[in-house]
Amino acid sequence: AQSVTQLDSHVSVSEGTPVLLRCNYSSSYSPSLFWYVQHPNKGLQLLLKYTSAATLVKGINGFEAEFKKSETSFHLTKPSAHMSDAAEYFCVVNPDNYGQNFVFGPGTRLSVLP
Amino acid sequence: DTGVSQDPRHKITKRGQNVTFRCDPISEHNRLYWYRQTLGQGPEFLTYFQNEAQLEKSRLLSDRFSAERPKGSFSTLEIQRTEQGDSAMYLCASSTDEKLFFGSGTQLSVL
Repeated sequence: AQSVTQLDSHVSVSEGTPVLLRCNYSSSYSPSLFWYVQHPNKGLQLLLKYTSAATLVKGINGFEAEFKKSETSFHLTKPSAHMSDAAEYFCVVNPDNYGQNFVFGPGTRLSVLP
Repeated sequence: DTGVSQDPRHKITKRGQNVTFRCDPISEHNRLYWYRQTLGQGPEFLTYFQNEAQLEKSRLLSDRFSAERPKGSFSTLEIQRTEQGDSAMYLCASSTDEKLFFGSGTQLSVL
C-alpha cells in the first residue's frame, strides 16, 4: 500500500529562522509528490509539486522541497519563517501517476513564534 | 475563476438521517474529487469523477455513501442513515491536471 509519513505532528520555529517539515513516502512506482498548506478556515492550497523534472522544486511563498529517491523523502524547507506561514502542511503522493487517489499524510502543524 | 464552492458550510443532523452536500467546481475543470477529513488527520480520498463518470471509489467507502455528477458540472455527495462516525469535514476539489483546487468544505456533525 502506498503511504506518506510526516515525522513531526507539530513544529515550532521563531520568526526569521529556517523551517524544515519532514516527509517520507512509500510507493511501488516513481510517484508524483506534493505539498499542500491549510490555513485556518481556508481551503487547501498547493505549495509545490514534484514530477521528476528536477529533484529540487521551488514553490510559492519561498518554500522548496527536495526529492531524494534513495531516502524516499520529500522534505519541505524555507530559509526564513514568517508569521503568516503558521498553518497545517500536508505531504501528498500520487502513487502511480495514473490513478487519482492522492494519498495525504497526517499533516504537520507549523507554529511561528514572534 | 471563482474557486470551488461547497454548500452548506455546516450541517448538523441526527443519527439515522440522510444528508446531501453540493460541490460546484471551477467551471472548466473536468476532474472532481471528494475527500473526508477528521480532526488531526489528513484528507482521506472518497471518490473521483472525470466529467460525469465516477472512475474511482475508495474501498473504505460504505455503501451508505453515494456521489453523482450528472452533467459533468456540479456534484452531490449523499450519506444515508448517518452515523456518529460520519462526523467530519467533507472536502471537494477540482482540477484539470494534478493540481487540485479545494473548496472550504462542509462540516458535518452527527448527533
